[in-house]
Amino acid sequence: KQEVTQIPAALSVPEGENLVLNCSFTDSAIYNLQWFRQDPGKGLTSLLLIQSSQREQTSGRLNASLDKSSGRSTLYIAASQPGDSATYLCAVRRGIYNQGGKLIFGQGTELSVKP
Amino acid sequence: DTEVTQTPKHLVMGMTNKKSLKCEQHMGHRAMYWYKQKAKKPPELMFVYSYEKLSINESVPSRFSPECPNSSLLNLHLHALQPEDSALYLCASSQLGQISYGYTFGSGTRLTVV
Repeated sequence: KQEVTQIPAALSVPEGENLVLNCSFTDSAIYNLQWFRQDPGKGLTSLLLIQSSQREQTSGRLNASLDKSSGRSTLYIAASQPGDSATYLCAVRRGIYNQGGKLIFGQGTELSVKP
Repeated sequence: DTEVTQTPKHLVMGMTNKKSLKCEQHMGHRAMYWYKQKAKKPPELMFVYSYEKLSINESVPSRFSPECPNSSLLNLHLHALQPEDSALYLCASSQLGQISYGYTFGSGTRLTVV
């Protein structure tokens, strides 16, 4: 059974710091891994998608890496801002190729960036 | 159009009511999903529709009844819910046969059962 773990559960940093969020998964048979951001009471916003054959993806101040063999992914946020405060979720996709499959989420990291 | 639209945004219903949640996407995605999310927890999969047919039901109680009238619409019919069913209900969509694409989520419907 696939399990996804995110560490830390919560993180508070001063503005301007670079930070790393961690995600680990137990079964390396994944199609891809997706990082989401969720603001309180809102839906999920996709940040980065990494295919199982890729090592990293970048978007602006965000960089996500994937090491499938070790079952790990990291989300790096450069020069953090108060607007980055949110819960960050990683999710791995597996399942039947033409039936949508399943997205399995970690518990999330709640990030607070202090001005 | 790269959005998944959910209506209503908020819903309060009594335990004897019947209501429906609606979800719409115009990205040509052929898989659509319902997720349930409780406070401080990750989303949990409820149903998957692929090519307008139910392909996964995660042992959801029958008081939740999904429907996919066409490739752009997904409904979740609610009847005789319990207070513990209060949660954020999220709809999502994705391409099929295209694992290079991720999931797109809507903004959710906040459901309160009284």
